[in-house]
Amino acid sequence: AQSVTQPDIHITVSEGASLELRCNYSYGATPYLFWYVQSPGQGLQLLLKYFSGDTLVQGIKGFEAEFKRSQSSFNLRKPSVHWSDAAEYFCAVVSTGGGNKLTFGTGTQLKVEL
Amino acid sequence: EPEVTQTPSHQVTQMGQEVILRCVPISNHLYFYWYRQILGQKVEFLVSFYNNEISEKSEIFDDQFSVERPDGSNFTLKIRSTKLEDSAMYFCASSNAGAETQYFGPGTRLLVL
Repeated sequence: AQSVTQPDIHITVSEGASLELRCNYSYGATPYLFWYVQSPGQGLQLLLKYFSGDTLVQGIKGFEAEFKRSQSSFNLRKPSVHWSDAAEYFCAVVSTGGGNKLTFGTGTQLKVEL
Repeated sequence: EPEVTQTPSHQVTQMGQEVILRCVPISNHLYFYWYRQILGQKVEFLVSFYNNEISEKSEIFDDQFSVERPDGSNFTLKIRSTKLEDSAMYFCASSNAGAETQYFGPGTRLLVL
């Protein structure tokens, strides 16, 4: 069965610092990977996705992620964090057969210190 | 930009009561989903729906749950007899192809007392 691991439950960074959120997946075939962000009391907003091709993908709000098949990872990065980036971040993988369900990681709560 | 909408935003109900959560997916999308997130936990898949039938459902989606697309625009999740443990945020999502990006609604927070 597919699974997603986000090893960091909480991360605190200073505004302007760089950010990397880790995501590891387990999936038998080529994964379709996503990062979503959830602000308090809000729904899930798509940041970026990887389906195929260039392993470095760009997303909204200055985020990028790199797919590394050898490490089964899809880490999210941002060169300079803004206070408004404080939120919970979820990595997810979609099954490409059957019902196309998304399997989410447990999330990483990002706190930004001013 | 088209978006998924959900109503109500909050619902409080008594244990044993039926609730219907409503969603309007993005208009040209063909695949529909329900997920839930219990407070402090990760988002969990409930069910996917395509061509007027369930494509896949999780173990959570037992006989107390049902989904329906009653018309060309709405997609509903019914919980027939709510339990305390059904308290959660319920998210609807839609996509225009099978493994394509799923766009999420803002959620309905359900509280079962």
